[in-house]
Amino acid sequence: GESVGLHLPTLSVQEGDNSIINCAYSNSASDYFIWYKQESGKGPQFIIDIRSNMDKRQGQRVTVLLNKTVKHLSLQIAATQPGDSAVYFCAESNTGNQFYFGTGTSLTVIP
Amino acid sequence: KAGVTQTPRYLIKTRGQQVTLSCSPISGHRSVSWYQQTPGQGLQFLFEYFSETQRNKGNFPGRFSGRQFSNSRSEMNVSTLELGDSALYLCASSLGPGVDGYTFGSGTRLTVV
Repeated sequence: GESVGLHLPTLSVQEGDNSIINCAYSNSASDYFIWYKQESGKGPQFIIDIRSNMDKRQGQRVTVLLNKTVKHLSLQIAATQPGDSAVYFCAESNTGNQFYFGTGTSLTVIP
Repeated sequence: KAGVTQTPRYLIKTRGQQVTLSCSPISGHRSVSWYQQTPGQGLQFLFEYFSETQRNKGNFPGRFSGRQFSNSRSEMNVSTLELGDSALYLCASSLGPGVDGYTFGSGTRLTVV
């Protein structure tokens, strides 16, 4: 079956530093990955996605890296800000709209 | 345009009761998926609907059911509620199956006492 795991349940970073959140997935057939951010009391918010034909994709202050060889996904947040404090989930899919989510990493930004 | 709307936002029910949750997708979105989120767990897939048909179903007991209407609005129902059903129930919509990304609603917080 599918399993998506996060290496660290919590991460604390100083404001202004870069953050790296990691995610491992088990299904080598997965071809689409998304990172979501969830703030307290809100639903998950789409951050960035990547397809398996790419290794890297950049957004505004965020970069997603995909290593298909070791089935590893990471989210890099540049110049982390207090507003980045949230739980971050990775999700994988190989069946269209059915996604499998990890348990989440809680990011705390220290002012 | 309006996002995914879930109602109600909060709900308290007693064990053994049933509950119906509602989800209105983004206008034009025809695919709706439901997830259960509990503390310490990731999001667990419940089911997905497209064009009023259930396309996929997760590993939940038959007490969990859903449906989708012709206007793409969806409802999920949980019968014979158990304490363990207490969770945040999230709905997500997209244009259609296989179309990139989901947009999530804010969820319905269900507490079973």
